[in-house]
Amino acid sequence: KNEVEQSPQNLTAQEGEFITINCSYSVGISALHWLQQHPGGGIVSLFMLSSGKKKHGRLIATINIQEKHSSLHITASHPRDSAVYICAVPPNYNTDKLIFGTGTRLQVFP
Amino acid sequence: GAGVSQSPSNKVTEKGKDVELRCDPISGHTALYWYRQRLGQGLEFLIYFQGNSAPDKSGLPSDRFSAERTGESVSTLTIQRTQQEDSAVYLCASSFILGGATSTDTQYFGPGTRLTVL
Repeated sequence: KNEVEQSPQNLTAQEGEFITINCSYSVGISALHWLQQHPGGGIVSLFMLSSGKKKHGRLIATINIQEKHSSLHITASHPRDSAVYICAVPPNYNTDKLIFGTGTRLQVFP
Repeated sequence: GAGVSQSPSNKVTEKGKDVELRCDPISGHTALYWYRQRLGQGLEFLIYFQGNSAPDKSGLPSDRFSAERTGESVSTLTIQRTQQEDSAVYLCASSFILGGATSTDTQYFGPGTRLTVL
């Protein structure tokens, strides 16, 4: 069993739809990262969170530490949101190494 | 300010040759990370530095891989006697250390070096 699992693996949506991507992990962590990898390969860090909820523009990330689950939401999705979204966590409390989920490929059509 | 930069952006080499990949982190970032992404696959951790020391080298695939960091700035990842399975995009990231072993901030990624071993 992977230590970090994401769902769905692939997601297509029409412009304007509300998107949810889920991440479950099996290790104890200090913080969870959400990353965005553009079709050209560049990676951008979207959020790092250890509790509660964070919002940046149309993106919202939530985490439930007790349930070891995080969600990334995109409101009013747009074709430019098309990318691979990756969640990542440290495997234990004593390292800043990250282990990565396999990613969710999102395509938003106009 | 400048982001994380990596060089070269592309490297084609012959099997058995040594390669050096360079990462220039954001100025002031004391944590530096190396990752690898093989074609069509997810990200793999290789090694990270806090300052000049590497607390976790567990991701290095073999003893052909090594990394150095000098002066809390530039880092080089060296792959000796390259093999075809080393072909991948090698990504570097940097972040602040807020304090403690697990208190690093958001990681900022470089554009990567695409390594092709023929």
